[in-house]
Amino acid sequence: DAGITQSPRHKVTETGTPVTLRCHQTENHRYMYWYRQDPGHGLRLIHYSYGVKDTDKGEVSDGYSVSRSKTEDFLLTLESATSSQTSVYFCAISESLFGTAFWNNEQFFGPGTRLTVL
Amino acid sequence: GESVGLHLPTLSVQEGDNSIINCAYSNSASDYFIWYKQESGKGPQFIIDIRSNMDKRQGQRVTVLLNKTVKHLSLQIAATQPGDSAVYFCAEIGGNQFYFGTGTSLTVIP
Repeated sequence: DAGITQSPRHKVTETGTPVTLRCHQTENHRYMYWYRQDPGHGLRLIHYSYGVKDTDKGEVSDGYSVSRSKTEDFLLTLESATSSQTSVYFCAISESLFGTAFWNNEQFFGPGTRLTVL
Repeated sequence: GESVGLHLPTLSVQEGDNSIINCAYSNSASDYFIWYKQESGKGPQFIIDIRSNMDKRQGQRVTVLLNKTVKHLSLQIAATQPGDSAVYFCAEIGGNQFYFGTGTSLTVIP
């Protein structure tokens, strides 16, 4: 998985509790992303980062916040988890901003975190 | 919004046969397309890409065909092997937007 780890890999939590997912990379790629993957939907972008402390919203950012204090770490936080946030979450990294160029559009994905909110 | 879909949600093929996985897109502004492979319990993996100025691109045992007239994309896998069993989905990129398809599950029968 191109030097990308996610933790935890599985988590079960209760509605209303805060949850933080961690993505760690060893590739020194500038861009990092959080996606969610749900049945009947393609990957959907939650937030992405284009540098330390530089982040932006994606398509489905409501209910999520992110932080990037170091190049290698990108955290996704659910401040108050809801059942609708039950999903598989993938972190990805890339050298150039995905979707903006013909070249070097390759993203490398982590192994995913399966989150269940009861 | 735009949609990226697949004609068949599941596909079963005999080992050694060729597989064809299809993808339809609706955004005529999309000018770059990617196929991903996702094995069970793993993250998606880039397989092959194609730009809108191309009709065909070949990789190792894989070929992607693009038909811009009907907004259709296909992935052909030659001599399918058990290790090819996975979900395959396409992504379209255009106008600084991108969309991922929901995927086709390919099962290779030994």
